Formats: sequence, C-alpha cells, structure tokens
Amino acid sequence: RKEVEQDPGPFNVPEGATVAFNCTYSNSASQSFFWYRQDCRKEPKLLMSVYSSGNEDGRFTAQLNRASQYISLLIRDSKLSDSATYLCVVISGGYQKVTFGIGTKLQVIP
Amino acid sequence: GAGVSQSPSNKVTEKGKDVELRCDPISGHTALYWYRQSLGQGLEFLIYFQGNSAPDKSGLPSDRFSAERTGGSVSTLTIQRTQQEDSAVYLCASSLAGTSGGGSQYFGPGTRLTVL
Repeated sequence: RKEVEQDPGPFNVPEGATVAFNCTYSNSASQSFFWYRQDCRKEPKLLMSVYSSGNEDGRFTAQLNRASQYISLLIRDSKLSDSATYLCVVISGGYQKVTFGIGTKLQVIP
Repeated sequence: GAGVSQSPSNKVTEKGKDVELRCDPISGHTALYWYRQSLGQGLEFLIYFQGNSAPDKSGLPSDRFSAERTGGSVSTLTIQRTQQEDSAVYLCASSLAGTSGGGSQYFGPGTRLTVL
C-alpha cells in the first residue's frame, strides 16, 4: 500500500459545482497534513493546512479524519480558475518525512 | 521578499554527462528539500537538509545523485553520468523549522532537465 494515496482523476465538474477530494495515508503516527495546488507546468503552492477540527478558507474546506486515516478537501462554487492538480501532503517521522500524494486533477468546465 | 530560486531553468545534456542544479532558498529557512517530478507524475522526494544536521538522503535513486548545502543556505544537486531516465523537473523547496514547518514549503520554479 502506498504511504499516501489519491485518486488521480480527472474530475470534470461544471462551474458552480461542489467537489470533494480525499487522500488516504497509511502511517497512523503521521503528524501534520496539508493541501497544495499545482497548476500545469508550475511549481506546487501551499493551499491550506489541515486540522482535526477542520478549517475553512473561503470556498475551501479541509478536514482530517484520524480514525479512518484520510484528509479531504471540499471546494464549493467551483470557478474556472480552480482547475489544477491538488496534492495532499503528509508529514511524519518527527516532521522530517514529507510525502506528497500523486495529486488529483480538477477541471472546471464552463 | 524573494522566493526560492533555481538555476538553470532548463538544462539539456547528453547521456553520460554530469549536471549541477542550484537552489537558493528563502532567507531564514533552515529546511531545504529536493524533489523530482516526471511528466504526469507526482513529486518524488530526493533529499532533505535541516540546519547543520546530516541530510536525509533516503530518497536519492542511485549513487549517481548527490547534494550539498553550503553554509546552511544554497544547495546544489549533482547528477553524474546522466541517463535518459533522469529527465524530469527538479524542484527545490524550503521551509521554516518548527512543528508544522515541514509542510509549509515554498517551492522554486524548478529546473527542467532533458537528457538526450
């Protein structure tokens, strides 16, 4: 089993739709979690941290479920500009081991 | 302020040649990471530097790969005797040390390496 797994997609959704991605991780001792966004042929950029209590940033909501070992990202009212690949990141090993998921590709359609 | 910079932005080389890739992290960031990303693939961790500690080299794919970080700042990734399978975008990232610093990474624009 991979340490961090994501559905690569693509997820094709119409503008205005709500879309959610999950990311599962295998190491129950993992310490912190993040979502990054990567546009085509660009470097990844931090989107948001993920906390057990859940956190929201505008149209984006991230959640962590430690019992089931997954994190999620919810995007409401999708915009064309949300089209990108969304990478989950899991930190473990005393904050030294950083593992990126393969990413989930989102395409928002007019 | 200035972000992470990498040079060169593109490098085309012949199989068997050595290449050096450079990364300038954000000033004050003690952690530095190298990754590579092949076309359509996820990020593959290569090596991690934290302050003056010995680097975590667990991700280096072969002994042809090595990296240095001088003075806790600039880093160079060296690939000796390049092979075609080394073709990829090599990304460098830096972050502050701390409880969550490992995840809040700032990436450079990458070096696109093509081995002919």
